[in-house]
Amino acid sequence: GQQLNQSPQSMFIQEGEDVSMNCTSSSIFNTWLWYKQDPGEGPVLLIALYKAGELTSNGRLTAQFGITRKDSFLNISASIPSDVGIYFCAGQLYSGAGSYQLTFGKGTKLSVIP
Amino acid sequence: EAGVVQSPRYKIIEKKQPVAFWCNPISGHNTLYWYLQNLGQGPELLIRYENEEAVDDSQLPKDRFSAERLKGVDSTLKIQPAELGDSAVYLCASSPLAGEPNEQFFGPGTRLTVL
Repeated sequence: GQQLNQSPQSMFIQEGEDVSMNCTSSSIFNTWLWYKQDPGEGPVLLIALYKAGELTSNGRLTAQFGITRKDSFLNISASIPSDVGIYFCAGQLYSGAGSYQLTFGKGTKLSVIP
Repeated sequence: EAGVVQSPRYKIIEKKQPVAFWCNPISGHNTLYWYLQNLGQGPELLIRYENEEAVDDSQLPKDRFSAERLKGVDSTLKIQPAELGDSAVYLCASSPLAGEPNEQFFGPGTRLTVL
């Protein structure tokens, strides 16, 4: 099946700094999604990207769907302490019979130093 | 609107014991998913339901895992017997429309520890 390579695995940054993380795949996807997971909670969707080349923002978050459909990046500007958590990329692929399969990366653990 | 509800939140059992997890999806969501999340990993799909039908259970270890969604609403995932390697977080998610590339809403998960 598809595998996603997400990097970096972890990041320690100062409050106010910008953050960038990315995902690459050997296979193409129809949709790229970025989730955030807080400790003891399930993942929460941050941004969804539906077209190759699409650049989408959600507040301080910006994400792009790569032209090749095999990669995506997420940027967080002016980080704040509540940005702490694990960020997952996920690729969604049409798997036939009207269904879609979601494959997750291994996550980027973000720590923000006040 | 209530989100996806899962119970219990935590479960500690000894190996070879049975265990069951319960999920109630968001009202009106036809599609329900069970995921397994190991420490330091992303969620991995175990089974997907469209209403009461299991349409993708290819990743479910059927020798010890079973699931049901009898009335097409809430669902139960069972492990019998549990093994040490089953220690993980079991996430339930739901989405409103089958086949739509739309958002899956996740529950808080059940953290299973097998001793």
